[in-house]
Amino acid sequence: NAGVMQNPRHLVRRRGQEARLRCSPMKGHSHVYWYRQLPEEGLKFMVYLQKENIIDESGMPKERFSAEFPKEGPSILRIQQVVRGDSAAYFCASARTSASTDTQYFGPGTRLTVL
Amino acid sequence: DQQVKQNSPSLSVQEGRISILNCDYTNSMFDYFLWYKKYPAEGPTFLISISSIKDKNEDGRFTVFLNKSAKHLSLHIVPSQPGDSAVYFCAASSGSYKLIFGSGTRLLVRP
Repeated sequence: NAGVMQNPRHLVRRRGQEARLRCSPMKGHSHVYWYRQLPEEGLKFMVYLQKENIIDESGMPKERFSAEFPKEGPSILRIQQVVRGDSAAYFCASARTSASTDTQYFGPGTRLTVL
Repeated sequence: DQQVKQNSPSLSVQEGRISILNCDYTNSMFDYFLWYKKYPAEGPTFLISISSIKDKNEDGRFTVFLNKSAKHLSLHIVPSQPGDSAVYFCAASSGSYKLIFGSGTRLLVRP
């Protein structure tokens, strides 16, 4: 009964490089959510995806950030031309449905450090 | 604009005593509330939830109370155990998948 998997757990990038964060949802879950946590803050919603579809990207910066959840393989959060302000913990969660009462299960997160 | 606020960044409690973590919200459209626990270097783990049609939900040592008129909820842990030491996040939603999180309260349970 594997939970939500994220990799890498830690990622160090220099300013201007690209960061790719991967998330494999729990078995049987087709709804994936990405959240970002800045130091000393709560998690903030970024984007909601189902297989091959972005449903809601209202929390994701318009520039440099993109997300996908292909038919095969993990969901990817991509950050182009990273800046120091992108340093944060990025968490992925998955659920069976999009109902608010359906528990979202979180992965261990990817800690991105931009030098 | 913080819609969910946890005003106590930290709380220290003696083992065996009650821990009370508080959360306030401003959006009256919120209808579902959750508590997550988070250990260092791990993701948040779901703990307990409550719908706005209830004022109390209990699961073992954990009880969540909701006061809609005050827009306030609290998590009670009794008795507290050292393994409960973690950061606790309150979250809310308004009929949707989008969870709005508070900034967390770090609980330390002293042996």
